[in-house]
Amino acid sequence: DADVTQTPRNRITKTGKRIMLECSQTKGHDRMYWYRQDPGLGLRLIYYSFDVKDINKGEISDGYSVSRQAQAKFSLSLESAIPNQTALYFCATSDLEGSSYNEQFFGPGTRLTVL
Amino acid sequence: LAKTTQPISMDSYEGQEVNITCSHNNIATNDYITWYQQFPSQGPRFIIQGYKTKVTNEVASLFIPADRKSSTLSLPRVSLSDTAVYYCLVGDTISSGSARQLTFGSGTQLTVLP
Repeated sequence: DADVTQTPRNRITKTGKRIMLECSQTKGHDRMYWYRQDPGLGLRLIYYSFDVKDINKGEISDGYSVSRQAQAKFSLSLESAIPNQTALYFCATSDLEGSSYNEQFFGPGTRLTVL
Repeated sequence: LAKTTQPISMDSYEGQEVNITCSHNNIATNDYITWYQQFPSQGPRFIIQGYKTKVTNEVASLFIPADRKSSTLSLPRVSLSDTAVYYCLVGDTISSGSARQLTFGSGTQLTVLP
């Protein structure tokens, strides 16, 4: 969805480096999410935020941290990247308006490779 | 966590109706069932959502039995462009606590053949 953008789209880094993935949205949604997807697997929730002051751990938060700088921006950081964090990372947004309030809108993804 | 189980893959021919079933035996009372479609190197895209019985929109139908332990996504008259991975997601995003339980299954690779 063009309303949810992620930068960078691709990143190759080395073990031990600090990496930040950024997500921006113009949908005006309060809720934002970070997922990772490994080859052949579904998406797993890393962190989510229901508003600027609300940050919650998801299923696999170890090794990650997040920052909600504004309603429209939600960043994911890998403080010290390791090879098993090589994956496709997706940001998503949602809100409570309308009948499909569980609908999440996903960004195009960031492909991260940790060597 | 409301774990979901789906077939790994399915094949169909253009013009046929396709039914993909998802099992979610320990679904919670507040959980909704949402289906997403994902093409390679893209983010998932919402298809349909339901709580119980039947829901229909312009692209699909969702059937949920009374016990809610499974759900079936029905795609009428598929075309080649429907080739994608389909995910069943059980949970809800209403409350902060319940959102932590959002669980995507491994998905079903649907291949539509000419």
